[in-house]
Amino acid sequence: QIQLVESGGGVVQPGKSLRLSCEASGFTFSNYGMHWVRQAPGKGLEWVAVIWHDGRKIYYADPVKGRFTISRDNSENTLYLQMNTLRVDDMGVYYCARDASNEGIDSWGQGTLVTVSS
Amino acid sequence: SYVLTQPPSVSVAPGQTARITCGGDNVGSKSVHWYQQKPGQAPVLVIYFDSGRPSGIPERFSGSNSGNTATLTITTVQAGDEADYFCQVWDGSSDHYVFGPGTGVTVL
Repeated sequence: QIQLVESGGGVVQPGKSLRLSCEASGFTFSNYGMHWVRQAPGKGLEWVAVIWHDGRKIYYADPVKGRFTISRDNSENTLYLQMNTLRVDDMGVYYCARDASNEGIDSWGQGTLVTVSS
Repeated sequence: SYVLTQPPSVSVAPGQTARITCGGDNVGSKSVHWYQQKPGQAPVLVIYFDSGRPSGIPERFSGSNSGNTATLTITTVQAGDEADYFCQVWDGSSDHYVFGPGTGVTVL
């Protein structure tokens, strides 16, 4: 079955960096666009970034543009999110999710928690 | 940027029908997807492309979209339907994915 397993979360000071990973299995990773979606404690879902199946198109939410970089390694079935200059309001659970085009975001990982605190 | 609106909460008695709205400027021209999220769990897609239902989602869940409002309808509500529900669209003018703020459904 489809599995998305995030890792790399943790506690980091404001201004520092963190790299998240998401290992995919159970489907042909290179055929699908992939998202990062985050959720601050007690808040709603916030889209962060998307990368097309072949990496040729990438889009970012305004709050993270210029600080975060989404990438993928189709040979390793892995999605990444490099997060630089982290801020307190970047804190939350980060979900890796599969894009099914017109059929929505159809698979989600369990998330990895990022805490930004001095 | 494109904005979606949802009521913060909806309360419904067991066995009754819950309707959750998602408002947006001409949202009827976009594909709306709906997600269910229970406490401590990842979101689950319950409706795609306005009214499509993924495999494994009960027929009690349905969707519609017209004009400035999309609606998720849950018939014969059960205690297990208690969750937060989020609508989502792709805004082609900004190349952004947009989520609504979410609606908490309480089963009385």
